[in-house]
Amino acid sequence: AQTVTQSQPEMSVQEAETVTLSCTYDTSESDYYLFWYKQPPSRQMILVIRQEAYKQQNATENRFSVNFQKAAKSFSLKISDSQLGDAAMYFCASQGGSEKLVFGKGTKLTVNP
Amino acid sequence: DTGVSQDPRHKITKRGQNVTFRCDPISEHNRLYWYRQTLGQGPEFLTYFQNEAQLEKSRLLSDRFSAERPKGSFSTLEIQRTEQGDSAMYLCASSIYSADTQYFGPGTRLTVL
Repeated sequence: AQTVTQSQPEMSVQEAETVTLSCTYDTSESDYYLFWYKQPPSRQMILVIRQEAYKQQNATENRFSVNFQKAAKSFSLKISDSQLGDAAMYFCASQGGSEKLVFGKGTKLTVNP
Repeated sequence: DTGVSQDPRHKITKRGQNVTFRCDPISEHNRLYWYRQTLGQGPEFLTYFQNEAQLEKSRLLSDRFSAERPKGSFSTLEIQRTEQGDSAMYLCASSIYSADTQYFGPGTRLTVL
């Protein structure tokens, strides 16, 4: 069975600063995918970034990048130049061996002006 | 492309009543997923469809839950004899193929009194 652990229930960052959200996962699959989703208050979940496990290069999407450490089963999200609109719940998720996504419990990110 | 839509957005019901939710996926997405999210937790997988075939069901999907996707388009999730423990946000997602990103709808928030 797959598991995803987010050890930081809450994080805060100053506007324009950089923050890193942690995620560890466990899977027995050799082929899998990892995701970070953002869920703003009372709004729907949207994809931030995805990483294919077979790719060694870390995924990047504008201000968002990941640090994928396959051997350590770690998948952290770095948000650079944080903006007020980045405030949300962030969920790490994995998918492998099945169509379903397995989510962590989330990290609530607060951005302070 | 109008995104994934769900109806209703909110539902309040009394314990013991039946409720039905609807999800319209992104057009041409042949995969449709249902998740349940309780307060403070990440979404948990319930079931998914490839076209009209229901291919996987979670053990969370008790006998009181049933999902359908007639004609491989929209899907319905019915909960019979609702219990207070069914109170949650029910999320629908769709994707175009198995390794594709899942796109989420806004969810239906169910409150069972």
